[in-house]
Amino acid sequence: RKEVEQDPGPFNVPEGATVAFNCTYSNSASQSFFWYRQDCRKEPKLLMSVYSSGNEDGRFTAQLNRASQYISLLIRDSKLSDSATYLCVVKTSYDKVIFGPGTSLSVIP
Amino acid sequence: DTGVSQNPRHKITKRGQNVTFRCDPISEHNRLYWYRQTLGQGPEFLTYFQNEAQLEKSRLLSDRFSAERPKGSFSTLEIQRTEQGDSAMYLCASSPGLAGTRTGELFFGEGSRLTVL
Repeated sequence: RKEVEQDPGPFNVPEGATVAFNCTYSNSASQSFFWYRQDCRKEPKLLMSVYSSGNEDGRFTAQLNRASQYISLLIRDSKLSDSATYLCVVKTSYDKVIFGPGTSLSVIP
Repeated sequence: DTGVSQNPRHKITKRGQNVTFRCDPISEHNRLYWYRQTLGQGPEFLTYFQNEAQLEKSRLLSDRFSAERPKGSFSTLEIQRTEQGDSAMYLCASSPGLAGTRTGELFFGEGSRLTVL
């Protein structure tokens, strides 16, 4: 079993749609959680951290369920510029950082 | 430019040759990570350093791969006796570690693309 798993995708959605990404992790000792975004042929960049109480940044909402070892990312009112691959990321003890396989999103006009 | 720098950006080599990639992290970042990424996949963890100490090397990595960070600044990743399956983008990232203002944020270089013929 992979340490971090995500919806296989790709997701193709119209502008304005709401889209949700799901992620599970296997190491119950994992300490920190993040969503990164990777544009085509570019390096990954941090989108947002994920906190136990859930957190929101504009149109983006991230949630964490430690009991289920589940992380989610919700994008509301999708824009064309949201088209990218979204990577679920888990930081274990000793700061080892593991990336999921990513879910590709295409927002269509 | 004070970001993470990697070179060479592209490397084409013949099977069986050795290659070495270099990563210069952001100054004073004490964590340095190496990942490998192939098309359609997320970055695959290879190894990481705290200053000059290598903390972990992926069990998936064969003995042909070795990484160093001799003075706790730049790092090198060497692949010996390359195989066609080694063709990938090799990404380096650095992090300020526990003292970082956004704990866990990795800052990536643009990567070194390896093609093994």
